[in-house]
Amino acid sequence: EAGVTQFPSHSVIEKGQTVTLRCDPISGHDNLYWYRRVMGKEIKFLLHFVKESKQDESGMPNNRFLAERTGGTYSTLKVQPAELEDSGVYFCASSLTLKGEQYFGPGTRLTVT
Amino acid sequence: AQSVTQLGSHVSVSEGALVLLRCNYSSSVPPYLFWYVQYPNQGLQLLLKYTTGATLVKGINGFEAEFKKSETSFHLTKPSAHMSDAAEYFCAVTGSGGYNKLIFGAGTRLAVHP
Repeated sequence: EAGVTQFPSHSVIEKGQTVTLRCDPISGHDNLYWYRRVMGKEIKFLLHFVKESKQDESGMPNNRFLAERTGGTYSTLKVQPAELEDSGVYFCASSLTLKGEQYFGPGTRLTVT
Repeated sequence: AQSVTQLGSHVSVSEGALVLLRCNYSSSVPPYLFWYVQYPNQGLQLLLKYTTGATLVKGINGFEAEFKKSETSFHLTKPSAHMSDAAEYFCAVTGSGGYNKLIFGAGTRLAVHP
């Protein structure tokens, strides 16, 4: 069974541009999470979907970030316009149940220059 | 609010030596605690977790951790390090509110030398 996949693995964009990150969870996992690690600091929670609904988006840094999960399958995280401080590694995770183990993808490394 | 502190951003041990990675947490509710490992170019992999019950938890690859409520600690140990254990390790606690949001420590990079 395929694990959590993320695309792209790396992205380099200029300040002010738009970038869209994609996450494909494990098939059948209703719960999908986005996390971010900035500059070797701790990994921080961004938001949690249950199917297509945003269950908790308390970690979203500002309105430049937009997450969607149409149809309750894959999810996208759009950053528009990107700022230098958005650079980091964006992780996606999914779990079968609300309290179930979270399986992580390899992450997308975003560099904003 | 919940938080996790990992003591030591870098730890270096000799092959065959004891591995001890420290984690302290703060939580106003009974915590669920986790250790994750990240190998180069891979996602985070769950090593072990504590939810309830036995305070000594055994995980994969010979790792174990002990939940000590009085010390608010959940240190990770392995009796004998292998070269393949070189990776970054993250301690995490679940957030409050009944959901599964993970709150991570800053990570500890483990180096194993011959």
